[in-house]
Amino acid sequence: GNSVTQMEGPVTLSEEAFLTINCTYTATGYPSLFWYVQYPGEGLQLLLKATKADDKGSNKGFEATYRKETTSFHLEKGSVQVSDSAVYFCALSVINQGGKLIFGQGTELSVKP
Amino acid sequence: NAGVTQTPKFQVLKTGQSMTLQCAQDMNHEYMSWYRQDPGMGLRLIHYSVGAGITDQGEVPNGYNVSRSTTEDFPLRLLSAAPSQTSVYFCATGGQGTLNTEAFFGQGTRLTVV
Repeated sequence: GNSVTQMEGPVTLSEEAFLTINCTYTATGYPSLFWYVQYPGEGLQLLLKATKADDKGSNKGFEATYRKETTSFHLEKGSVQVSDSAVYFCALSVINQGGKLIFGQGTELSVKP
Repeated sequence: NAGVTQTPKFQVLKTGQSMTLQCAQDMNHEYMSWYRQDPGMGLRLIHYSVGAGITDQGEVPNGYNVSRSTTEDFPLRLLSAAPSQTSVYFCATGGQGTLNTEAFFGQGTRLTVV
């Protein structure tokens, strides 16, 4: 079946540190990959996406590259800010399987000044 | 532009009570879904709908009922609440895989069953 595995949190970083949150997936078919972010007390919102192998999604300084050979979609940011503190979810959906989103367990990020 | 609106935001139920979580969207999306969020488990799909009159089960459908009589509304019914249904519930629209489109989420309903 389809599944997503993320690194466990919480992750605590100092402001301006480099961020990596690992995400690997298992999928039948050809998945699209997503990162969603959830700020405290809010719903999820799309951060970035990639729809085919070697695509790089980017937004707000965050990047992730769709690596088919390693079945990974790791999230990176060169210099985090306090305002990046949130929970980050990796997710996939597969065409021809109803378009359902399959989520990882989420990784909480806390950035200290 | 309201997007996806969920009501109520908070609810406390006694075991055995029933209730309906409301979800309304003004984005004219065909695809709507309900997820529950539990610590350490991410979001799990409860039910989804690809259009008015069509619903299907997700990963964790037991104890929940849905219907889709209009494009705009997708209520989630708890038939007989149990403590295991204590969770945060999110409604989402869009995210249809065939179009690789973005999913839009409501702000959630925090439900406690005592």
